[in-house]
Amino acid sequence: AQSVTQLDSHVSVSEGALVLLRCNYSSSVPPYLFWYVQYPNQGLQLLLKYTSAATLVKGINGFEAEFKKSETSFHLTKPSAHMSDAAEYFCVVSHEAAGNKLTFGGGTRVLVKP
Amino acid sequence: EPEVTQTPSHQVTQMGQEVILRCVPISNHLYFYWYRQILGQKVEFLVSFYNNEISEKSEIFDDQFSVERPDGSNFTLKIRSTKLEDSAMYFCASSEVRGPGTVEQFFGPGTRLTVL
Repeated sequence: AQSVTQLDSHVSVSEGALVLLRCNYSSSVPPYLFWYVQYPNQGLQLLLKYTSAATLVKGINGFEAEFKKSETSFHLTKPSAHMSDAAEYFCVVSHEAAGNKLTFGGGTRVLVKP
Repeated sequence: EPEVTQTPSHQVTQMGQEVILRCVPISNHLYFYWYRQILGQKVEFLVSFYNNEISEKSEIFDDQFSVERPDGSNFTLKIRSTKLEDSAMYFCASSEVRGPGTVEQFFGPGTRLTVL
């Protein structure tokens, strides 16, 4: 079985500050990990994915995430928040035997203050 | 840029009524999915569909649910007799190929279903 825990349901950051969204996963087999973002009134959009190659993964819009097996974590960061980063972010896990089934974390809603 | 579309954006229905949620996946995609998110809860996988048949379904996807690709462009989710607990946001997604787990699924904006 696999599961994902996003440690913060809401994060508030000032524009220009570091964005850190925390994600821990549980999987009995090597996982595939994703971060999706949902902007208001839009569908879920893939930010980045980890596929067992490089542990530091770069995504769109300046986001990156680091896979740490020892900590079972896949935290998402962005050095400098922009107002347009206000959205809900989902950490997602899958694995080889799961085929195309994605398991979602609870989501983190990001508020960016001017 | 191609995108997944869903209609309607909001659907209100009475308990016991049938509803059909519609999705138009990206045109060259072969795999289709439905997920749902009950308010305040996680997004949950419902079903995946390939080559006109269900390839995987969750325990949520019971006999009240069915999926269909009635033509070359639409993908539908039918709930036969809606219950209050079916109230949720329903997301359709599509992907070019099947896994293993690394292929991006493209999601639509969702249909919010409210059962009264």
